[in-house]
Amino acid sequence: AQKVTQAQTEISVVEKEDVTLDCVYETRDTTYYLFWYKQPPSGELVFLIRRNSFDEQNEISGRYSWNFQKSTSSFNFTITASQVVDSAVYFCALSETGGSYIPTFGRGTSLIVHP
Amino acid sequence: DAGVIQSPRHEVTEMGQEVTLRCKPISGHNSLFWYRQTMMRGLELLIYFNNNVPIDDSGMPEDRFSAKMPNASFSTLKIQPSEPRDSAVYFCASSYGGRSYNEQFFGPGTRLTVL
Repeated sequence: AQKVTQAQTEISVVEKEDVTLDCVYETRDTTYYLFWYKQPPSGELVFLIRRNSFDEQNEISGRYSWNFQKSTSSFNFTITASQVVDSAVYFCALSETGGSYIPTFGRGTSLIVHP
Repeated sequence: DAGVIQSPRHEVTEMGQEVTLRCKPISGHNSLFWYRQTMMRGLELLIYFNNNVPIDDSGMPEDRFSAKMPNASFSTLKIQPSEPRDSAVYFCASSYGGRSYNEQFFGPGTRLTVL
């Protein structure tokens, strides 16, 4: 069975600090997909990134970067020079290819960026 | 293009009343998901439709909950009778293709309060 663990319930930082959100997953599939979603205070979850299990290249998009390491079953998300607008709940999700394609979400990490 | 549309955005009802939540997925998307989000349990998948057919309803908490998707552009989630513990934010999400690599597009949610 697939499982996603986001051990950090809440992180509080001051603007311009770098912050890393951890995501650890469990799966028996060799082919799977990992996602990050952002839920701002307005409530709607927004897709940020998708990664497949065969692509371990790190990805950078502006101030956002993702580190995928199969050896440790982790898919961590780093925000560089955080801003107040980054305050949100961030969810990591896993979707296996051998099952029903239904993603499993972690419990989410609430990020609070103080001015 | 319009995103996923949910109505109502807020619903306050009394215990025992019937509640109907509505969702219009993004045009062309053939997978639809209903989620419930609470502080205690996080984001829970209730039911998943693919091509209007319910594929997995194992997350539906009990017989009081029912969901339908009469056509590709409309779905309902009904709670009858409602109870205070049903109070939560209910999200509808859609995706294209019904595959594990497809990201989900979430609606703004319906905040349900059962008194």
